[in-house]
Amino acid sequence: RKEVEQDPGPFNVPEGATVAFNCTYSNSASQSFFWYRQDCRKEPKLLMSVYSSGNEDGRFTAQLNRASQYISLLIRDSKLSDSATYLCVVSPNTGFQKLVFGTGTRLLVSP
Amino acid sequence: NAGVTQTPKFRVLKTGQSMTLLCAQDMNHEYMYWYRQDPGMGLRLIHYSVGEGTTAKGEVPDGYNVSRLKKQNFLLGLESAAPSQTSVYFCASSYPDRGSGYTFGSGTRLTVV
Repeated sequence: RKEVEQDPGPFNVPEGATVAFNCTYSNSASQSFFWYRQDCRKEPKLLMSVYSSGNEDGRFTAQLNRASQYISLLIRDSKLSDSATYLCVVSPNTGFQKLVFGTGTRLLVSP
Repeated sequence: NAGVTQTPKFRVLKTGQSMTLLCAQDMNHEYMYWYRQDPGMGLRLIHYSVGEGTTAKGEVPDGYNVSRLKKQNFLLGLESAAPSQTSVYFCASSYPDRGSGYTFGSGTRLTVV
């Protein structure tokens, strides 16, 4: 089983739609959680951290369910510029801050 | 505001040739990492460093060597390139704080023929 699993998509949505991505992780002792965004042929960039209480950044909302080992990302009012691959990222509970990356979910927002 | 800079951006090698990828960061980060990204595989950690003069193996270290002689630089070497090393290589750096996330370089696209 992969440490971090995501639906690869692609998710095809129209502009203005709300879309949700899910991610599961296998290490119950994981401590830190993130969503990264990666545009085609570009480097991954940190989109937002994910906190236990849930957190919001503009149109983006991240949720963490430790009991189910599940992370989600909700994008409201999708823009064309949101088209990218979204990587779910987890940091296992080790002394070294190693991040484990999911393979990503691709989002395509169309006019 | 350079962040993490990788050179070269593109390279084509013949099987058996050697090369070094350079990563430089100007954020005074302690930790540095080399990843490779292949279709359907996601990002896989090759080697990492938790400080100047220290390196350690990651998930897929075979065929690669690294050095961190200066805090700001992390070099990835391929001694004898193989077609299986065709990939996109990303360098990243971070603070030791587990919650700080990584800053990535723009990547090196390597093709081994």
